Amino acid sequence: AQKVTQAQTEISVVEKEDVTLDCVYETRDTTYYLFWYKQPPSGELVFLIRRNSFDEQNEISGRYSWNFQKSTSSFNFTITASQVVDSAVYFCALRSNFGNEKLTFGTGTRLTIIP
Amino acid sequence: KAGVTQTPRYLIKTRGQQVTLSCSPISGHRSVSWYQQTPGQGLQFLFEYFSETQRNKGNFPGRFSGRQFSNSRSEMNVSTLELGDSALYLCASSQTGTGPQETQYFGPGTRLLVL
Repeated sequence: AQKVTQAQTEISVVEKEDVTLDCVYETRDTTYYLFWYKQPPSGELVFLIRRNSFDEQNEISGRYSWNFQKSTSSFNFTITASQVVDSAVYFCALRSNFGNEKLTFGTGTRLTIIP
Repeated sequence: KAGVTQTPRYLIKTRGQQVTLSCSPISGHRSVSWYQQTPGQGLQFLFEYFSETQRNKGNFPGRFSGRQFSNSRSEMNVSTLELGDSALYLCASSQTGTGPQETQYFGPGTRLLVL
């Protein structure tokens, strides 16, 4: 079975601090994709990044960076110099052929940036 | 391109009633998936439609049904509403829904409250 674990339920940091959101996944499939979504209070899930199982290169996009490590089945997300607008719930998700191609989500991490 | 749209945004119903939610995918996207989000269960996959056919189904009772029209718009229906059906219902679209590499883009959701 597929599973995504986000052990951090809630995190609060002071603005401008760096913060890392953890994501650990389980799948039997060798080909899979990992995603991060952001859910602001409005409710819409906003796509942030997609990473395939064969590409372990870290990715940086502005203040956001992602660290994918197959050896530990983790796909962690770091926000550098956090801002109040980063306050949201962040979801890590997994999609593979084994899972009938549906997205399996973690339980989410609520991030609060304190001004 | 316009994003995924969902109507209505908010609904209040009473137990035993039925409800229909609507989703219009991004132009050119032919796959539509539905998810239910609750505080207790998180984000759970309901079903996925492609070319007017249900291709995948999650673990929900038969009271939950859906359909897709020739223009790729989709509706989901919940009959005999129960209190536990109160949730945010999210619709997501992707181009073909085939293969784990496709990114699903989400709408703003319909927030359903059952009294």
